[in-house]
Amino acid sequence: GDSVTQMEGPVTLSEEAFLTINCTYTATGYPSLFWYVQYPGEGLQLLLKATKADDKGSNKGFEATYRKETTSFHLEKGSVQVSDSAVYFCALSDPFAGGTSYGKLTFGQGTILTVHP
Amino acid sequence: DADVTQTPRNRITKTGKRIMLECSQTKGHDRMYWYRQDPGLGLRLIYYSFDVKDINKGEISDGYSVSRQAQAKFSLSLESAIPNQTALYFCATAEGSGEAKNIQYFGAGTRLSVL
Repeated sequence: GDSVTQMEGPVTLSEEAFLTINCTYTATGYPSLFWYVQYPGEGLQLLLKATKADDKGSNKGFEATYRKETTSFHLEKGSVQVSDSAVYFCALSDPFAGGTSYGKLTFGQGTILTVHP
Repeated sequence: DADVTQTPRNRITKTGKRIMLECSQTKGHDRMYWYRQDPGLGLRLIYYSFDVKDINKGEISDGYSVSRQAQAKFSLSLESAIPNQTALYFCATAEGSGEAKNIQYFGAGTRLSVL
């Protein structure tokens, strides 16, 4: 079945540092890929997405490129801020999946990011 | 007002008690989901519903039941709560068709403690 693996956390950075959170996936079809962010005390919200190979999703200075050849969707930001401290989830959904995968998101385990001033 | 509202936000209960978590949405979405979040495990799907008459078990449905009372309401029940059901519970919604059906919108969560 489909699966998502994120880099082990937690990640601690100083403000203005470069961020990379690795995400790789396993899927039988052609999934759409997502990054969700969960700020303290809140639910998850969509950060960015990509629906086909070589697509780049971007939002709030974050970027991720859909790499089919390496089955990866790594999240990057050039200069993090304290306000970026949150839990980040990589996820996939296969719009063409049948059976038990239909219409569902598969999440990675989440990566806690803490940014210090 | 939030588009996806969960009540209560926090709940403490005792082993063996029946408890209901409620979710309502104003987004007009057909699809609704219940997840639980445990540290280091990400989100795991409990139940999902594609419309009022279509309810499906997720990967960890044992010990839980759901009711889709209307398009806007989806409740999760723990018939006899046990301590390992202590977790953060999320409701989510999504559109029923098109590419947008893969984008889910989450409530703020219910933190449940079973003593």
